[in-house]
Amino acid sequence: AQSVAQPEDQVNVAEGNPLTVKCTYSVSGNPYLFWYVQYPNRGLQFLLKYITGDNLVKGSYGFEAEFNKSQTSFHLKKPSALVSDSALYFCAVRDFILTGGGNKLTFGTGTQLKVEL
Amino acid sequence: EAEVAQSPRYKITEKSQAVAFWCDPISGHATLYWYRQILGQGPELLVQFQDESVVDDSQLPKDRFSAERLKGVDSTLKIQPAELGDSAMYLCASSFSSGRSDTQYFGPGTRLTVL
Repeated sequence: AQSVAQPEDQVNVAEGNPLTVKCTYSVSGNPYLFWYVQYPNRGLQFLLKYITGDNLVKGSYGFEAEFNKSQTSFHLKKPSALVSDSALYFCAVRDFILTGGGNKLTFGTGTQLKVEL
Repeated sequence: EAEVAQSPRYKITEKSQAVAFWCDPISGHATLYWYRQILGQGPELLVQFQDESVVDDSQLPKDRFSAERLKGVDSTLKIQPAELGDSAMYLCASSFSSGRSDTQYFGPGTRLTVL
C-alpha cells in the first residue's frame, strides 16, 4: 500500500521567514505527489504536483516543493511566509489501482501552519 | 474560474435519520470522487465515478451509504440511517479524466453533524 507521512502536526514561523512543511512517501513504483491547502471549514485547494521531470516544482501563491527520490521526500517550501499562509496543509500520493482504473489520492494527516507577526 | 459545487454546506441530523449530499463537478470533468474527512485527519476516498460508472467503492460502507451519478454529471451521496460516527466533512472532487497526472479539484464540502 502507498502512504505519505507528515511528521509535524504543527509548524510555527515568523512572517517574512522561510517555511518548510515536511512530507515523506512510500510507493512501490514511481510517485505522483501533490500538495493541497485547507482553510477552516473549506475544501482543499490544489497548490502543486510532481509527476516527472524537474525535482523543484513551482506552484500557486509562491509555494514550491522539492522532490528527493533518495530520501523519499516531497517537502513544501516558501521563501517568505505571510500571515495569510496560516492553514492546514496536506501532502498526497496518487495510488494507481491497476485494475478498474481507480486512482485515488492517499493523504497524510496534515500539518497546521501558523505564521505570526 | 470553474469550481466544484456542493450543497448543503452544513447539515445537522439526528441518529437514524437519512441525509443526502449533492455535488456538481467542474464542467467537462468525467471523473468524480467523494471523500470523507474526519476531524484531525486527511480525506479518505469513499467512491470514485468515471462518467456514470462506479470505478472504486471499496471503502464505501454499503450497508448504509449509497452514491449515484445517473447522467454522468452531478452526483448524490446518501446515508441511511446516519450514525454518530458519520459526523465528518464530506468532500466532492472532480478531475478531467482518471489519468495519473490529472489534478483533483475539491468543492467546499458538507459538514455533517449527527446528534
